Amino acid sequence: GDSVTQMEGPVTLSEEAFLTINCTYTATGYPSLFWYVQYPGEGLQLLLKATKADDKGSNKGFEATYRKETTSFHLEKGSVQVSDSAVYFCALNNPGGYQKVTFGTGTKLQVIP
Amino acid sequence: DGGITQSPKYLFRKEGQNVTLSCEQNLNHDAMYWYRQDPGQGLRLIYYSQIVNDFQKGDIAEGYSVSREKKESFPLTVTSAQKNPTAFYLCASKGLWTGEDIQYFGAGTRLSVL
Repeated sequence: GDSVTQMEGPVTLSEEAFLTINCTYTATGYPSLFWYVQYPGEGLQLLLKATKADDKGSNKGFEATYRKETTSFHLEKGSVQVSDSAVYFCALNNPGGYQKVTFGTGTKLQVIP
Repeated sequence: DGGITQSPKYLFRKEGQNVTLSCEQNLNHDAMYWYRQDPGQGLRLIYYSQIVNDFQKGDIAEGYSVSREKKESFPLTVTSAQKNPTAFYLCASKGLWTGEDIQYFGAGTRLSVL
C-alpha cells in the first residue's frame, strides 16, 4: 500500500537558519503530494502541494519539489522564524485509491531566537 | 466563512461511557474523514465517508462508530469498547469532484478519560 516516510524530529534550529525536512513516499500511479503544518492545539493547515513530477509547490517561503525519480518531496526554507515552530506533515493522495490521504508521522520543528 | 467546525474543543469521558464528537462542514464537500492523533504517531484514519448514508472503516475503527445522515455532518462516537480513547481527534473533508485534491481540517477535539 501507499506510505510516507519523514525524518524524525524534533528539529531545533536557530532563527534565520536553513531548514530541510526530508520526505519520501511509496505509491503506485501518480499521487499528489502535500505538506501540512500543525500549530500547537490546532488542526492541520495545507502549506503547499504538487500534483505531478517536477512541480514545485511554494508558500510563505517554504518550497518542495516533486521528484519522481527519487520518490521524494523534501520541504525547505531558506531562513526560518520563531513563528515557524510547528509540526510538519508530509502526505500523499493517490487518485487510484479510495480517496484517503496517507500521512507521514510528522516532524516537530522548534526555532529558537 | 466556509470551513469545518468541531465541537467540543475538550471532552472528558468516564469509564463505560459513550461520547460523541461533532463535525460539521459548510464547504459542500462529499467526503469526510475522522483521524486520531497520538504523540509521535502522526494521523491514523478511523472512518471515512464519500457519500451520505455510506461510510467505510479506516485503519483503527474498533471501538468507534459514525453516521452520515446529512452531507454536512459526520459525528464520531467513541464507545466504551475503546479502551484507550485519550487522544486528539481531527475531522477533515474533501471535495471529490472539484479537482482540488486537498483535505481541509477542523481545529480538533481533545478527549481525555476521567
